[in-house]
Amino acid sequence: DVKVTQSSRYLVKRTGEKVFLECVQDMDHENMFWYRQDPGLGLRLIYFSYDVKMKEKGDIPEGYSVSREKKERFSLILESASTNQTSMYLCASTTRTGSDEQYFGPGTRLTVT
Amino acid sequence: QKEVEQNSGPVSVPEGAIASLNCTYSDRGSQSFFWYRQYSGKSPELIMFIYSNGDKEDGRFTAQLNKASQYVSLLIRDSQPSDSATYLCAVRSSGTYKYIFGTGTRLKVLA
Repeated sequence: DVKVTQSSRYLVKRTGEKVFLECVQDMDHENMFWYRQDPGLGLRLIYFSYDVKMKEKGDIPEGYSVSREKKERFSLILESASTNQTSMYLCASTTRTGSDEQYFGPGTRLTVT
Repeated sequence: QKEVEQNSGPVSVPEGAIASLNCTYSDRGSQSFFWYRQYSGKSPELIMFIYSNGDKEDGRFTAQLNKASQYVSLLIRDSQPSDSATYLCAVRSSGTYKYIFGTGTRLKVLA
């Protein structure tokens, strides 16, 4: 079974703090993704990575950066957290070969106060 | 702008009935289609995927794809109260790593 884990289920941070969200997958998947999910807006892609040290901006990258130093780990960084970044953050991964089903981690509910 | 559209619902069905959920997409280059189930406060769980026109069955679930009309459906037979959730449709276009998600349809199965 594919397993995608995220570092925290719930996180509360203050405005202006630097926030790190970590995601680890154990299936040797090449592609990894960060989404945020907000009511009425669905899942929106922030960044994705198709290989170590490779990344591409998604639809809403402003205010975020990412790091992928190892194949199994993909980190999302909020350089200076703001209240409009309060959201559910979801990490996902897929393989590049064969089937392309995307599997999600449990999510991190981030609240910025 | 590539889009995936779903009726937000709720779609209400009695226990034991067939639930039918629909999704349309705008990009004719789409090649992979997915259905996810999401319980409140939880992350999406993949339940079906389909790549070719026609029907694909897995247990109580059937995914239906019609590329000419650009829609994909999910049928849930013998619906149970535990099927009550939001169902997300997702589409991936050829030549891209990106997946486009609909905003989901809320299903309520009434006991």
